[in-house]
Amino acid sequence: DSGVTQTPKHLITATGQRVTLRCSPRSGDLSVYWYQQSLDQGLQFLIQYYNGEERAKGNILERFSAQQFPDLHSELNLSSLELGDSALYFCASSVGDESDLYGYTFGSGTRLTVV
Amino acid sequence: GQNIDQPTEMTATEGAIVQINCTYQTSGFNGLFWYQQHAGEAPTFLSYNVLDGLEEKGRFSSFLSRSKGYSYLLLKELQMKDSASYLCAVRNSGYALNFGKGTSLLVTP
Repeated sequence: DSGVTQTPKHLITATGQRVTLRCSPRSGDLSVYWYQQSLDQGLQFLIQYYNGEERAKGNILERFSAQQFPDLHSELNLSSLELGDSALYFCASSVGDESDLYGYTFGSGTRLTVV
Repeated sequence: GQNIDQPTEMTATEGAIVQINCTYQTSGFNGLFWYQQHAGEAPTFLSYNVLDGLEEKGRFSSFLSRSKGYSYLLLKELQMKDSASYLCAVRNSGYALNFGKGTSLLVTP
């Protein structure tokens, strides 16, 4: 157990639907990062939150949004789902400052299948 | 933006040594990381370089040359369990990691 908790582990939904993925960071970590991993694209950075505020944005589609709550857990919302959104979605956490000598700790991921 | 390149696939023999290269171009640099990822699992941290030179950690070593935008991961005494994908990642000033597409390593008997 890495200390980063992601739910659900698996999700199957239809095109056009909306889903919410949840992440609880490791105790003491203030930063949460969301990544999408598909077979052909590798790990793509979506968005980072630090202590409730958006800090960096990567290749996140406008149909996707995220937030980090006061208790530091984060949710990634995916709407108007398309077949191409099928992927593994990872959440990672870190302290989020210069003390991050070890990068991130990743959660076990949510496998999203859009049918 | 960032461009991170690493070979797609490599094969090596159990007990041997393998070197996985990574080249990068980045507008900001705050460290280079190597992760190991087994299929369907989360990436796990292997090594971190922020200064030029070699960092050794048991069977794994990682090298960085910032002026050349180059790193490699060296795996010694390969074991079958080392068959996995190896991800090179560059951290920018905002602490987000940008990953290469990974190198799939197959260790054969």
